Amino acid sequence: RKEVEQDPGPFNVPEGATVAFNCTYSNSASQSFFWYRQDCRKEPKLLMSVYSSGNEDGRFTAQLNRASQYISLLIRDSKLSDSATYLCVVNPPDNFNKFYFGSGTKLNVKP
Amino acid sequence: GAVVSQHPSRVICKSGTSVKIECRSLDFQATTMFWYRQFPKQSLMLMATSNEGSKATYEQGVEKDKFLINHASLTLSTLTVTSAHPEDSSFYICSACPPGGGAGDETQYFGPGTRLLVL
Repeated sequence: RKEVEQDPGPFNVPEGATVAFNCTYSNSASQSFFWYRQDCRKEPKLLMSVYSSGNEDGRFTAQLNRASQYISLLIRDSKLSDSATYLCVVNPPDNFNKFYFGSGTKLNVKP
Repeated sequence: GAVVSQHPSRVICKSGTSVKIECRSLDFQATTMFWYRQFPKQSLMLMATSNEGSKATYEQGVEKDKFLINHASLTLSTLTVTSAHPEDSSFYICSACPPGGGAGDETQYFGPGTRLLVL
């Protein structure tokens, strides 16, 4: 079983729409969670961390559900520039600096 | 902010040759660096953890004799793809964590990646 699983999409949404992605992780002892954004042919860049209490950064909201072992990312008022692949990242319990990436969810925001 | 560089940014080589990719932390020392591989339309896959002064730790299914990792200094890790074959063509990305990072500290910095094409 994969450590992290995501719906690959693509999610095709119009500008201004609200879109949500989920990601499930297999190891219940995983410590930390992140969302990264990756543009085509570029390295991934940190979008936001995911805290147990949930956190918000502008139009982006991340939440963690430990009981069901999933994290989510909500994007409100989608912009064309939000088009990218969103990667769910999990730290395994044995190494706080090791990252396991999900397969990524492709988002296409259309005018 | 902290920067990680990779060299070369892209390389084309013939099947059977070896290719070395360098990963450098430019303004911090990194006792640990990570190497990832990304095939087209797929996500990043962790290949190995590079430890300064000791042997690298490889993920399951990654051949350590195929992908040689050397972490000779606190700012440099190298990945050598030995006897490269077309199926090794991929995007190789390294990352590094500044000292003091831990407990899932998000200050992990990625290099820009190296595109390898083996003909």
